[in-house]
Amino acid sequence: DTGVSQNPRHKITKRGQNVTFRCDPISEHNRLYWYRQTLGQGPEFLTYFQNEAQLEKSRLLSDRFSAERPKGSFSTLEIQRTEQGDSAMYLCASSFGRVGTEAFFGQGTRLTVV
Amino acid sequence: AQSVTQLGSHVSVSEGALVLLRCNYSSSVPPYLFWYVQYPNQGLQLLLKYTSAATLVKGINGFEAEFKKSETSFHLTKPSAHMSDAAEYFCAVSVGSDDKIIFGKGTRLHILP
Repeated sequence: DTGVSQNPRHKITKRGQNVTFRCDPISEHNRLYWYRQTLGQGPEFLTYFQNEAQLEKSRLLSDRFSAERPKGSFSTLEIQRTEQGDSAMYLCASSFGRVGTEAFFGQGTRLTVV
Repeated sequence: AQSVTQLGSHVSVSEGALVLLRCNYSSSVPPYLFWYVQYPNQGLQLLLKYTSAATLVKGINGFEAEFKKSETSFHLTKPSAHMSDAAEYFCAVSVGSDDKIIFGKGTRLHILP
């Protein structure tokens, strides 16, 4: 399978715990995006990378969220001290990063904070 | 900053009828526009994209969209709805090679038998 892969697919955690999600993009893609999607809403932009460089982080994102892409390949998204409001689907996408190129999405990681 | 607005969070059409899902964009420079579809419990899949080559864009599953600069619109249409078209549809915009892809809130399409 050469698509975008996200792990785990589901995560249930207690409030206050830290969680980390992994995304493996399509191998030729140099751009990687993280989005958050709640029920009935569109994907909300969180952050994105061009190779290993983080280009932008959403101003709506609290300091509890951090993302890395250390070697320009896979990426991790960490949420520290989780809150119930963090419960959502976390989507990863990748693209060639050229003008007008579309993003290819993974299946997402569903986080439930109890 | 660029953005998209999707009019109507829910749209219902009868099987065989015309599908029209509305999307208006806001951008100070020529945008790139996308329509994605999300079936239940599945990831987002690209339907079609506009990159300035042609204003009428044809996509998968019989869908098409027309870019109208004067109306800042990129509405999605399909001449005849099928039950399998029931899904959530998202319009998205990006500007320039370094800019992120921003999504609308989505429109859930219901197909009535």
